[in-house]
Amino acid sequence: KAGVTQTPRYLIKTRGQQVTLSCSPISGHRSVSWYQQTPGQGLQFLFEYFSETQRNKGNFPGRFSGRQFSNSRSEMNVSTLELGDSALYLCASSLALGRPEAFFGQGTRLTVV
Amino acid sequence: TQLLEQSPQFLSIQEGENLTVYCNSSSVFSSLQWYRQEPGEGPVLLVTVVTGGEVKKLKRLTFQFGDARKDSSLHITAAQPGDTGLYLCAGPDAGNNRKLIWGLGTSLAVNP
Repeated sequence: KAGVTQTPRYLIKTRGQQVTLSCSPISGHRSVSWYQQTPGQGLQFLFEYFSETQRNKGNFPGRFSGRQFSNSRSEMNVSTLELGDSALYLCASSLALGRPEAFFGQGTRLTVV
Repeated sequence: TQLLEQSPQFLSIQEGENLTVYCNSSSVFSSLQWYRQEPGEGPVLLVTVVTGGEVKKLKRLTFQFGDARKDSSLHITAAQPGDTGLYLCAGPDAGNNRKLIWGLGTSLAVNP
């Protein structure tokens, strides 16, 4: 059974640009959550999608957005990149809402220069 | 606001030693999970503890959930270099159990 797949693995972008990250959850999993991980802040919850609808949102500015497709694949977008957006972005999938155990992808390492 | 504090922040030991890392909170959690994250990878779920006082074993790893469900510990016996990684604890937010609250982790290095 394939795990959670995130693409790309690494990205370098310039301040002011926008970026789109992709996540394919484990087959059969319908809930996808996104996290930002930095050394000082740890894992910070961005948002959760289930059945193509955003069900939960963390405390991030509107520059961070996401969506989920009918096949449960998800994308997140960050517009007007700032240096502080440099981080490891992790996607996690779970079977359904209310299941707290999360299965993570390898992440996308975003560097903003 | 629920917080999870992990200690120690860093730990460097020799192969064969035993160690314990802690995950503490002033709040009650319905469950706690432990993950291990290796460099350049996402966290991998190790265990979920649900009942106060529960002890779970995973080979050389022993996980305990405090009686009051406010804390948890992870004990590793005879650590091996393959145990190296960032150990994270996480628990459901009481106000929204679909959202996980995370500790900052304990970074463990096991030297051969």
